[in-house]
Amino acid sequence: DGGITQSPKYLFRKEGQNVTLSCEQNLNHDAMYWYRQDPGQGLRLIYYSQIVNDFQKGDIAEGYSVSREKKESFPLTVTSAQKNPTAFYLCASSPTGSSPIQYFGAGTRLSVL
Amino acid sequence: KQEVTQIPAALSVPEGENLVLNCSFTDSAIYNLQWFRQDPGKGLTSLLLIQSSQREQTSGRLNASLDKSSGRSTLYIAASQPGDSATYLCAVPYQTGANNLFFGTGTRLTVIP
Repeated sequence: DGGITQSPKYLFRKEGQNVTLSCEQNLNHDAMYWYRQDPGQGLRLIYYSQIVNDFQKGDIAEGYSVSREKKESFPLTVTSAQKNPTAFYLCASSPTGSSPIQYFGAGTRLSVL
Repeated sequence: KQEVTQIPAALSVPEGENLVLNCSFTDSAIYNLQWFRQDPGKGLTSLLLIQSSQREQTSGRLNASLDKSSGRSTLYIAASQPGDSATYLCAVPYQTGANNLFFGTGTRLTVIP
């Protein structure tokens, strides 16, 4: 089946620890995105990538890092510099070009121990 | 900076009722608007995408309209069903030619059997 797979579904982080959230897509999309969702709020863009080996910061990139070594994969690392990491993290992908629809994964819920 | 607002934040209706969800945006220079559905703890599913040149788009019992000049969009759901219970989010692109999205905070819909 084509789609976007995020793992793990739930993740716990200890203070001072870096954790990495996985996002894989088999839709052959060039663009991929990471969003953060806090309770009762909309999604906010963390990072996005329009092409392999290139990525750009979104509105709330501080404390996060990404890589895009392969077209199918766009992992997000939540570093120890992110002081309030508890949130629901959503990965998306889309074709490039005008007015593409974004397709979303099922999300990873990150909590701090 | 673009701001996207959705009112009401929550809505409960009896099954069978027709309803309207509202989305407003501050910068009318958009080239499309998307409506998404989010089930609790899940990712987003795209429902409708309206191009700036269109006034409305229909899919089954859903009809979305767009009025760029007034900075408003509505999502009309006909003959609501309990399975329609979810959070509905609207989103507009960051800027012309970009695929990144500004999201509203969503309307949580409950359809009561």
